[in-house]
Amino acid sequence: DTGVSQDPRHKITKRGQNVTFRCDPISEHNRLYWYRQTLGQGPEFLTYFQNEAQLEKSRLLSDRFSAERPKGSFSTLEIQRTEQGDSAMYLCASSSKVAGGHREQFFGPGTRLTVL
Amino acid sequence: AQTVTQSQPEMSVQEAETVTLSCTYDTSENNYYLFWYKQPPSRQMILVIRQEAYKQQNATENRFSVNFQKAAKSFSLKISDSQLGDTAMYFCAFMMRATTSGTYKYIFGTGTRLKVLA
Repeated sequence: DTGVSQDPRHKITKRGQNVTFRCDPISEHNRLYWYRQTLGQGPEFLTYFQNEAQLEKSRLLSDRFSAERPKGSFSTLEIQRTEQGDSAMYLCASSSKVAGGHREQFFGPGTRLTVL
Repeated sequence: AQTVTQSQPEMSVQEAETVTLSCTYDTSENNYYLFWYKQPPSRQMILVIRQEAYKQQNATENRFSVNFQKAAKSFSLKISDSQLGDTAMYFCAFMMRATTSGTYKYIFGTGTRLKVLA
């Protein structure tokens, strides 16, 4: 296991379509985070899982966004009825409760979403 | 509300020289963590250095060190002996657990683009 992986790396979609992204954390990490990063900005926190439980959700996570982590391993982030304002890089990160906890997050390469 | 401000959108430094990136933050909490992350052109974010607010001693990691001024709410990053591989976006970040609600807050600054010149 070499790190956090995300799939796809790039996604182009038309406005109104649904998209789903996947994140595979480092295998022994029980915490998983989603962030959104727009051009020229730092990452903005979206949500956080500890195992399969979604413990935190940002106000940025509108009704069109849903995240799951059904078995406490990989996670998916779905955006329904995409809008042009959803265009951004979606970053996933993971951490271990035992080693470092929230203080040591490892980031994936991100999924770049473009909504036409 | 917590905020993180990086006032230098871009900086450049000659190879082997020293550069300091600035970061200020605002919070009413006493216990929190501060981070500097590096995001190279390939865009995978890497943790550079971390500082616990309760520690008075400034954190150091090889060529990277911080100047943490808690009263001034300042957290600058010094890169010594700059290398071409240091070229990247650098983000200052703040993390805390709210004492009242127990929720975690993670806030990143807007970043400083650093270019190391040969």
